[in-house]
Amino acid sequence: EDQVTQSPEALRLQEGESSSLNCSYTVSGLRGLFWYRQDPGKGPEFLFTLYSAGEEKEKERLKATLTKKESFLHITAPKPEDSATYLCAVRTILTGGGNKLTFGTGTQLKVEL
Amino acid sequence: DSGVTQTPKHLITATGQRVTLRCSPRSGDLSVYWYQQSLDQGLQFLIQYYNGEERAKGNILERFSAQQFPDLHSELNLSSLELGDSALYFCASSPLGDSHNEQFFGPGTRLTVL
Repeated sequence: EDQVTQSPEALRLQEGESSSLNCSYTVSGLRGLFWYRQDPGKGPEFLFTLYSAGEEKEKERLKATLTKKESFLHITAPKPEDSATYLCAVRTILTGGGNKLTFGTGTQLKVEL
Repeated sequence: DSGVTQTPKHLITATGQRVTLRCSPRSGDLSVYWYQQSLDQGLQFLIQYYNGEERAKGNILERFSAQQFPDLHSELNLSSLELGDSALYFCASSPLGDSHNEQFFGPGTRLTVL
């Protein structure tokens, strides 16, 4: 069964204090690893897709990396507006050609002034 | 704004009742996915439709059903509701139904069963 584990569950940073969020996964036949940002009561907002080990993607203060067993979301010099829950998900192909995302439980990030 | 719309935003109902949640995908997207997010379970995949046909099924209860219409909007029907069905229900869409596209999520419908 596909499993996605995120750590830490919660993270409190001071503004400007860089850190990394971890996502480890066990899946048969990875077809993409996704990072989403979710604000309270809102839908997940797409950030990145990574497909192969060694791949990296960047967007503003965020950088996502992928190895064969885990992914990291690096946050450089975070600002209070980066406060949110960050979700990691893996995509797998299902019988019949469909696909699904299996999500981790997220890391709740709070950035303080 | 992802371009995916969901109605209603909030729904409060009683146990045993039936409700319908509606989703309109992004313009041009053929595939729709439904997910349930509860406090204890996180985001769980329910079902996928592609161009009107069911494409994949996840942990969807028999009391739940979905369909995708010719105009590509989708509805999720929940019946014989129980307290444990209270959750956020999200719809996502992607251009195709395969493994090469990102899924973009709507704002969700918050269902409260009393």
